[in-house]
Amino acid sequence: NAGVTQTPKFQVLKTGQSMTLQCAQDMNHEYMSWYRQDPGMGLRLIHYSVGAGITDQGEVPNGYNVSRSTTEDFPLRLLSAAPSQTSVYFCASRLYSNQPQHFGDGTRLSIL
Amino acid sequence: AQSVTQLGSHVSVSEGALVLLRCNYSSSVPPYLFWYVQYPNQGLQLLLKYTSAATLVKGINGFEAEFKKSETSFHLTKPSAHMSDAAEYFCAVSDPSGYSTLTFGKGTMLLVSP
Repeated sequence: NAGVTQTPKFQVLKTGQSMTLQCAQDMNHEYMSWYRQDPGMGLRLIHYSVGAGITDQGEVPNGYNVSRSTTEDFPLRLLSAAPSQTSVYFCASRLYSNQPQHFGDGTRLSIL
Repeated sequence: AQSVTQLGSHVSVSEGALVLLRCNYSSSVPPYLFWYVQYPNQGLQLLLKYTSAATLVKGINGFEAEFKKSETSFHLTKPSAHMSDAAEYFCAVSDPSGYSTLTFGKGTMLLVSP
């Protein structure tokens, strides 16, 4: 059972480039979320989804785009990378709102 | 709106001493509460959760937390710290209704000295 899988684990981008962070889960969870983690800031919610075809914005959505075409996959797109988006990104999933989140191992993204 | 405050960005204890990590929450309805641990360069791992059952919740690795509604608190404790407990700890709150999201505190780094 793989749980939540994030790819890539590390990435370096130049300002203005675009890329997609991949997230896949094999637990048939309806809820999926993307967070960014910055020192002293905890985890901040970027976007989330409550099922295929349904997404919504979190606390810090600007500069990011998501879609949810299947239950398993929830990719996060950086449209035009900026140095302020240098961070560690975590994808998480859960079955219901009273269940704990299962986290991936994170993607460490540096933007030069 | 819900929020979480973790008092102290860093807590230092000696091996064998009591661990106390503080978490206070704000929520308009009785919340669900969680504690997660993050070891260096890893994702977050669930320690324990409160979902309106027993107010004293036991988790993994000897940790426990007590939900106190009157104090809006969910402090994490462990009677005797071990070197392997050194990590960052996050408290999180969730509204139990509908399509609720999870809100995290800013984290507390636990340092354990020999």
